[in-house]
Amino acid sequence: NAGVTQTPKFQVLKTGQSMTLQCAQDMNHEYMSWYRQDPGMGLRLIHYSVGAGITDQGEVPNGYNVSRSTTEDFPLRLLSAAPSQTSVYFCASSYVQYATNEKLFFGSGTQLSVL
Amino acid sequence: RKEVEQDPGPFNVPEGATVAFNCTYSNSASQSFFWYRQDCRKEPKLLMSVYSSGNEDGRFTAQLNRASQYISLLIRDSKLSDSATYLCVVNRVVVGSQGYLIFGKGTKLSVKP
Repeated sequence: NAGVTQTPKFQVLKTGQSMTLQCAQDMNHEYMSWYRQDPGMGLRLIHYSVGAGITDQGEVPNGYNVSRSTTEDFPLRLLSAAPSQTSVYFCASSYVQYATNEKLFFGSGTQLSVL
Repeated sequence: RKEVEQDPGPFNVPEGATVAFNCTYSNSASQSFFWYRQDCRKEPKLLMSVYSSGNEDGRFTAQLNRASQYISLLIRDSKLSDSATYLCVVNRVVVGSQGYLIFGKGTKLSVKP
């Protein structure tokens, strides 16, 4: 039972490079989201999706793009990485569209460093 | 007032102690409340939802006070394994959409032998 799978677990980028963080879930969850966690800042929502083809911005969307072409996958793209994007990134999903009433299942996280 | 605010701690307690955490939230329209637990360098995991009438799950009790806009978590008979960071989570109401969950910065608990 895989749950929410994030890859890679660790990544080092140079400023200006682009990359995609992968997130996949095998629970047929409608809702998927990306959070970043910085020391002293808590978890902050970047983008979320309530179903295939539907995405929306969270608290800190700038510098990140997302798309949701399938129910299972919700990749997060950094088009031009900046040191301020150094963080731990968590993908999370839940069963239903109205995620505020449902348990969030988190992936194990991606530690990203931008030099 | 910050949208979700918690005392960062750390709370250092002996095994067997009772410890309580509070969390305040600013938006009176918020309807969903949770406590999540996060171990060091791990992903957050749901500890319990918080219901209007209060609810209990074993040694853990959660309370909601809508008038004062705070939620609380009480842990009785603390175990070493309770050492973690406890995250208060509240939904943000967004006009025109379902909104989303906002996490507090967390309260760190350390249970000592």
